[in-house]
Amino acid sequence: GDSVTQMEGPVTLSEEAFLTINCTYTATGYPSLFWYVQYPGEGLQLLLKATKADDKGSNKGFEATYRKETTSFHLEKGSVQVSDSAVYFCALSDGIYNQGGKLIFGQGTELSVKP
Amino acid sequence: DAGVIQSPRHEVTEMGQEVTLRCKPISGHNSLFWYRQTMMRGLELLIYFNNNVPIDDSGMPEDRFSAKMPNASFSTLKIQPSEPRDSAVYFCASSDSARDRGHEKLFFGSGTQLSVL
Repeated sequence: GDSVTQMEGPVTLSEEAFLTINCTYTATGYPSLFWYVQYPGEGLQLLLKATKADDKGSNKGFEATYRKETTSFHLEKGSVQVSDSAVYFCALSDGIYNQGGKLIFGQGTELSVKP
Repeated sequence: DAGVIQSPRHEVTEMGQEVTLRCKPISGHNSLFWYRQTMMRGLELLIYFNNNVPIDDSGMPEDRFSAKMPNASFSTLKIQPSEPRDSAVYFCASSDSARDRGHEKLFFGSGTQLSVL
């Protein structure tokens, strides 16, 4: 079945460092891809998404490009802040919309940014 | 809008007791999801409803778990009897499948931290 694999955490960076969190997927169809973020004590929030190959999703300085050839959707940010400390989840949608398609999440990657 | 509201925020109970978790989705959303989050298994989809009808309950771990959605503004997840291995954070999420094509944007509640002793 469809699945998502993320790099293991925790990832610890200094403020203003460059961030990459790797995500690869396995899917039989043409899924949409997402990054969700979970701040401490809260539920997940949609960070960005891409719905087809070569699309780039972006939000709050974060970016991810849908790479069909490498089945990847890596999350990047040029300069992280302490406030970016959170758990990041990569996800795909199985696209069965008429049945109310569902999201499949990766394991999550914890990011800790130190001042 | 107040967002997805879950109660209680924390629940501590003893093995064998019945536990009921509650969720109020965002008004107007037609789909509701129950997820469980643990360190070992990450985020697992337990069940989801579309227009109050259960569509996929294949993630429900066993018969001890049951979920209902009696109307568009309320859902419950019940565990009876509870066991220590049920300890986890349980999230409810909702979406508007008509507007957000295929539930691509889920709105999550803050979760219920369940501890079964």
